[in-house]
Amino acid sequence: GAGVSQSPSNKVTEKGKDVELRCDPISGHTALYWYRQSLGQGLEFLIYFQGNSAPDKSGLPSDRFSAERTGGSVSTLTIQRTQQEDSAVYLCASSPPRLAGRYEQYFGPGTRLTVT
Amino acid sequence: GENVEQHPSTLSVQEGDSAVIKCTYSDSASNYFPWYKQELGKGPQLIIDIRSNVGEKKDQRIAVTLNKTAKHFSLHITETQPEDSAVYFCAASTGGGSYIPTFGRGTSLIVHP
Repeated sequence: GAGVSQSPSNKVTEKGKDVELRCDPISGHTALYWYRQSLGQGLEFLIYFQGNSAPDKSGLPSDRFSAERTGGSVSTLTIQRTQQEDSAVYLCASSPPRLAGRYEQYFGPGTRLTVT
Repeated sequence: GENVEQHPSTLSVQEGDSAVIKCTYSDSASNYFPWYKQELGKGPQLIIDIRSNVGEKKDQRIAVTLNKTAKHFSLHITETQPEDSAVYFCAASTGGGSYIPTFGRGTSLIVHP
């Protein structure tokens, strides 16, 4: 079946502009995660959704970052007034319902954001 | 919170050799330990996982071992092939309703033909 998809695959923006990154999780997956991966680095947790609610926003680096999820499906990560240090690959992942006793994450291909 | 240490950061082997990547975790309540493989330009992909009630799990050329007492787990790849070259991440979590895994910093595996 279809995997996690993200759009756009690449985004180049000027410093100070706002950007929106989109994630389409696997159908039926209730949990959704956003991570940031800087060049050659590990996975930095940003935010986690269970359904439409976000019980854990602890990883958002500043109030310029926000995310929402609607209909228990698509999620959008918004970065306002982008800075050069926001340049990274933004990864989205989804997981099956906990009732299934499964915890694995399925990652999308990522959005490479470059702030000039 | 949980802390996961992963070693080595880079591992270079000859084709056909074995490769071992080790991780330690700090939270004794952690009970789920996945391993992900990330190829260049792609998102991480789950390759194998283990739960705390199991000491070892194998899937063809890859295996994972878990020592709960010592709080460490390892990924073993036998008969390495050039296509095994990638970055490998370990993770640990307590499962439950709010499953947020803690990832290691990754190991870059290079398999030389």
